[in-house]
Amino acid sequence: SQQGEEDPQALSIQEGENATMNCSYKTSINNLQWYRQNSGRGLVHLILIRSNEREKHSGRLRVTLDTSKKSSSLLITASRAADTASYFCAFAGLTSGTYKYIFGTGTRLKVLA
Amino acid sequence: DTAVSQTPKYLVTQMGNDKSIKCEQNLGHDTMYWYKQDSKKFLKIMFSYNNKELIINETVPNRFSPKSPDKAHLNLHINSLELGDSAVYFCATTGVNTEAFFGQGTRLTVV
Repeated sequence: SQQGEEDPQALSIQEGENATMNCSYKTSINNLQWYRQNSGRGLVHLILIRSNEREKHSGRLRVTLDTSKKSSSLLITASRAADTASYFCAFAGLTSGTYKYIFGTGTRLKVLA
Repeated sequence: DTAVSQTPKYLVTQMGNDKSIKCEQNLGHDTMYWYKQDSKKFLKIMFSYNNKELIINETVPNRFSPKSPDKAHLNLHINSLELGDSAVYFCATTGVNTEAFFGQGTRLTVV
């Protein structure tokens, strides 16, 4: 399957703790992105990391990319109850001149107040 | 202004019917996609169009037919709807090496 794998599938932490989720993929990529999806809602873009970048920060988010291991991780520091959502990675590879975005299986994060 | 808009937001219909979902983007991007999110929340690509041309067609039953009348629109027509078609369908668009912008999704329920 081309679908990316994410782990853990589900994660439950206390408010204030850090949350780490991982994404692995199989193809060559141009960039990798992380999205958040609140229950029953659309996808919100969080961060994009290009294949020549190793780490990127945005507020409480830190993303790493290891193209040799074909993996990425998303770290959310000092988590809040509002961070409760599903998180998806999406990696983009060039197919027939078009970027094909393949999604990971998602991590359901629950932050307990 | 909504960058990617899908209509309708909800669609409940009977098995065997034919229905369409519409998507419009005002970002000027060349590439548009349809994704299906099933009950397990897996997001799978269905189709991709680049500048009105079909580029990617994953293993999707031919009851699903995308149509791109122009660069800003990508509609999805589904014939002979089946129970298994119930899902949330997302339209998305991208520029070159940019993030994907998603519509809010269309929740299709086939009864």
